[in-house]
Amino acid sequence: DAGITQSPRHKVTETGTPVTLRCHQTENHRYMYWYRQDPGHGLRLIHYSYGVKDTDKGEVSDGYSVSRSKTEDFLLTLESATSSQTSVYFCAISESGAPGNTIYFGEGSWLTVV
Amino acid sequence: AQSVTQLDSQVPVFEEAPVELRCNYSSSVSVYLFWYVQYPNQGLQLLLKYLSGSTLVKGINGFEAEFNKSQTSFHLRKPSVHISDTAEYFCAVNLNTDKLIFGTGTRLQVFP
Repeated sequence: DAGITQSPRHKVTETGTPVTLRCHQTENHRYMYWYRQDPGHGLRLIHYSYGVKDTDKGEVSDGYSVSRSKTEDFLLTLESATSSQTSVYFCAISESGAPGNTIYFGEGSWLTVV
Repeated sequence: AQSVTQLDSQVPVFEEAPVELRCNYSSSVSVYLFWYVQYPNQGLQLLLKYLSGSTLVKGINGFEAEFNKSQTSFHLRKPSVHISDTAEYFCAVNLNTDKLIFGTGTRLQVFP
């Protein structure tokens, strides 16, 4: 299994509070991604990083920010959580951005916003 | 525009029967195609991928998929399923970029 650790694995938070999810990898892969999974939508890309301090937006980036200060850590922050951000969040990594590269996924973080 | 379409949201099948999970993509450029599997309460893991060459790709757990450029399809097949194949299956496409685009998933339910 790819060395990807997500924390927390489960969290319940209140509307309007900030939340940070952490992804830690031990593979020294250059690319890291945050996806959210929702019924009927599959997985949708929130943000991704192609190196330390290098990040870009995905298709559903509104309300989210990310930071990558070290190769191994990629943080996803919900600046002010809303009920529509209740979802399962997956971190993923890839050795490079080459189109044929395999993307490896973490175990997921279940977030409930009440 | 949707780049990858999985028409079947659920596929029920009996154990030892064959199964086909359908995936169609929309692109006129080079594509790289993937199938991932997600078991309950787990992350996704790669089943197989098509990069180039032979259009029939074999993956783990006895699955295979065939790339059909004229029909823009990449259907996943298994000749005989097991109870343990019950999971959600995602088709994904890379349109020669650094990002994967996922379909909405197909839930395969295998009954005894």
